[in-house]
Amino acid sequence: QQQVKQSPQSLIVQKGGISIINCAYENTAFDYFPWYQQFPGKGPALLIAIRPDVSEKKEGRFTISFNKSAKQFSLHIMDSQPGDSATYFCAARDRGSTLGRLYFGRGTQLTVWP
Amino acid sequence: DGGITQSPKYLFRKEGQNVTLSCEQNLNHDAMYWYRQDPGQGLRLIYYSQIVNDFQKGDIAEGYSVSREKKESFPLTVTSAQKNPTAFYLCATSRRDTEAFFGQGTRLTVV
Repeated sequence: QQQVKQSPQSLIVQKGGISIINCAYENTAFDYFPWYQQFPGKGPALLIAIRPDVSEKKEGRFTISFNKSAKQFSLHIMDSQPGDSATYFCAARDRGSTLGRLYFGRGTQLTVWP
Repeated sequence: DGGITQSPKYLFRKEGQNVTLSCEQNLNHDAMYWYRQDPGQGLRLIYYSQIVNDFQKGDIAEGYSVSREKKESFPLTVTSAQKNPTAFYLCATSRRDTEAFFGQGTRLTVV
């Protein structure tokens, strides 16, 4: 059973546009939600993360929106650039769990056309 | 230079062979993880370890084995029982309640 559902699987955006990737979860024990960016042949790198006590977090052109009641969170990339072309993964973790593992979505392949 | 080192970067395996992928970290993180990545499948957890001499199966542990004899090291063995081992393998580490940090991966190909 997929703990974190991510959509869309692929996304094509024109340079300067807004890229939006959505994730949903069921486990209400999840309390930490990071996003990772991965370039081809490289390991994923942390992009931005949010905890559920806030509804939005912004770092530069990247914003996470969090809706606790709907159990959904999304990544918005403003003014998308060709250099943003990568695969993006959302994830969730139950920090109170002794196991401490992250659950990942299946990823979104973003292509930004110049 | 702090970080996670995975080696080798590329690995070729013949049918029926066992191969071992190395993961070393100097971040002093307690937890270490092995993920397998296939196109369109995201990151699937193979094994993870929270402390030395202890580890748990993830979602796709069949055909794999691990050891955690030192805090810094978490090698993954892909055994001959793994029928479809061609994939990109990622090692990660974390403190228990923070984000995971990933290595640069090992691409394993069966020849």
